[in-house]
Amino acid sequence: GDSVTQMEGPVTLSEEAFLTINCTYTATGYPSLFWYVQYPGEGLQLLLKATKADDKGSNKGFEATYRKETTSFHLEKGSVQVSDSAVYFCALSDGNNNDMRFGAGTRLTVKP
Amino acid sequence: GAVVSQHPSWVICKSGTSVKIECRSLDFQATTMFWYRQFPKQSLMLMATSNEGSKATYEQGVEKDKFLINHASLTLSTLTVTSAHPEDSSFYICSAHQGSTIYFGEGSWLTVV
Repeated sequence: GDSVTQMEGPVTLSEEAFLTINCTYTATGYPSLFWYVQYPGEGLQLLLKATKADDKGSNKGFEATYRKETTSFHLEKGSVQVSDSAVYFCALSDGNNNDMRFGAGTRLTVKP
Repeated sequence: GAVVSQHPSWVICKSGTSVKIECRSLDFQATTMFWYRQFPKQSLMLMATSNEGSKATYEQGVEKDKFLINHASLTLSTLTVTSAHPEDSSFYICSAHQGSTIYFGEGSWLTVV
């Protein structure tokens, strides 16, 4: 079945460092891909998404490109801030958004 | 503010007892809600789909008699873990859809002692 493999954490960076969190997927069809973020004490929030190959999702300085050839959707940010400290989840959907498959989550801590 | 509210955030119960977790959609109606659980360092796993006015649909391997789901109104779904055991200790989270947007609750940490 469909699945998502996500880079294990935790990840600790200094402020203004470059961030990459790797995510690869396995799917039989053409899924939509998502990055969710969970700040401490809050629910999951959609960070960005891409619905087809070569699409780039972006939000709050974060970017991820849907790479069909490498079945990847790596999350990047050029300069992280302390406020970016959270757990990040990569996820895929079979297309109707009714069945999400999540990665294990990567905890990011950004130090000043 | 929260669009989907989940309660309680933390619960500790004794082995053999039952515990109920509520998931409420605020300011919108959700005919379908979803329940997930997450073991430490593992993915969120879909447990079941909660359908308002009808029986829930369970994923393979999830015991329907152990994880009772009731979706009695368009804004409330409840998950009851019956006869809880320590291996049921986990993070449970619900989600609801408003149009094409998915909202997640804050999650509930269950510890069975």
